[in-house]
Amino acid sequence: DQQVKQNSPSLSVQEGRISILNCDYTNSMFDYFLWYKKYPAEGPTFLISISSIKDKNEDGRFTVFLNKSAKHLSLHIVPSQPGDSAVYFCAASALPQTGANNLFFGTGTRLTVIP
Amino acid sequence: DTGVSQNPRHKITKRGQNVTFRCDPISEHNRLYWYRQTLGQGPEFLTYFQNEAQLEKSRLLSDRFSAERPKGSFSTLEIQRTEQGDSAMYLCASSLGRTGGLGETQYFGPGTRLLVL
Repeated sequence: DQQVKQNSPSLSVQEGRISILNCDYTNSMFDYFLWYKKYPAEGPTFLISISSIKDKNEDGRFTVFLNKSAKHLSLHIVPSQPGDSAVYFCAASALPQTGANNLFFGTGTRLTVIP
Repeated sequence: DTGVSQNPRHKITKRGQNVTFRCDPISEHNRLYWYRQTLGQGPEFLTYFQNEAQLEKSRLLSDRFSAERPKGSFSTLEIQRTEQGDSAMYLCASSLGRTGGLGETQYFGPGTRLLVL
């Protein structure tokens, strides 16, 4: 079963505007959330993360918001730039019982920033 | 470049052949993960090492798959008797574990794309 869901497969945004990418999760044990950016034929690149004790984390143009009661997080990119065009993956992990802290990924959202 | 590296980047093989992939993690990272990504999906966890010990394996890791991390440095993932369903991107990630009370951030390599004909 898909514990992390990204229901929008694609998103197009004009350069300079805000991009909002959404992610929902079902497992209430998740306590750490990450966003990765992926270009074709490359591995995922870490962008930004948030712990469940916070509801917002900001890093330059990127802000991640977490709504624990709704089991929802979002990534805001402001302003959007053409170089931001890529596939964005939401990932989550739970405090491990066995030591592994494996990530559960969504299916990704392809962002296209139009110049 | 001190990031995670993987070799080869691409591998084409015939069904039934064995293949081996290598991952070199970030040097100070003691944790190493293997994931598999198929088209239209996010990466899925395969197995995890802490130093040289393989501590967890996903049910996705059939008996034909074996992974090692001798001396706790680089890791290899071998697939025996490959099948067409093994075609995927195989990703390696490394981390320092949970630090400063926060979660664990994993850093990924570029992946090895496997095509089984």
